[in-house]
Amino acid sequence: DAGVTQSPTHLIKTRGQHVTLRCSPISGHKSVSWYQQVLGQGPQFIFQYYEKEERGRGNFPDRFSARQFPNYSSELNVNALLLGDSALYLCASSTPGQGPNEQFFGPGTRLTVL
Amino acid sequence: EDKVVQSPLSLVVHEGDTVTLNCSYEVTNFRSLLWYKQEKKAPTFLFMLTSSGIEKKSGRLSSILDKKELFSILNITATQTGDSAIYLCAPLSSNTGKLIFGQGTTLQVKP
Repeated sequence: DAGVTQSPTHLIKTRGQHVTLRCSPISGHKSVSWYQQVLGQGPQFIFQYYEKEERGRGNFPDRFSARQFPNYSSELNVNALLLGDSALYLCASSTPGQGPNEQFFGPGTRLTVL
Repeated sequence: EDKVVQSPLSLVVHEGDTVTLNCSYEVTNFRSLLWYKQEKKAPTFLFMLTSSGIEKKSGRLSSILDKKELFSILNITATQTGDSAIYLCAPLSSNTGKLIFGQGTTLQVKP
């Protein structure tokens, strides 16, 4: 079974540019979460989407936005890139329900902003 | 504000040693606590703990949760060089479904 997939693997952008990162969840999973991980830190929550609706948002500026499509894949968009946006961007999929549920991570997209 | 503290931040041991990694948390609307192992890229799921006092075990790894004292531990027995990684603890908030990660414990196992 395919796990969570993300594209692209690596990306280099310059300050002020815009970037779109993509994620496909595990088959059957309806929820996608995005995290940012800078070097030496644990991942920080950016967004969670479930059934195309935003379920949660972390403490990130409005330059960060996301959406989820009918096939449950998701895009994360970042506008007006800053040097500090350089990080590993992780996508996780899960099947939220009545009980707690695991989140499984994709390989990540390494974004470098020059 | 939600807070997760892992200790130690780093640890160097030799193969065959036993290690205990600690995670304390203060999280509103706590639902469960997850442990991950991160090597080069994506965190790999290890355990999800929901109830206090029930040990979860997978091979040489085991973990337990104390919801009263708000902490969890991850034990690794008979460590191997392949256990070298960053171990991340992450309580799950039921409101937003978000994982709140600690800084991680970097474990290095020497031959």
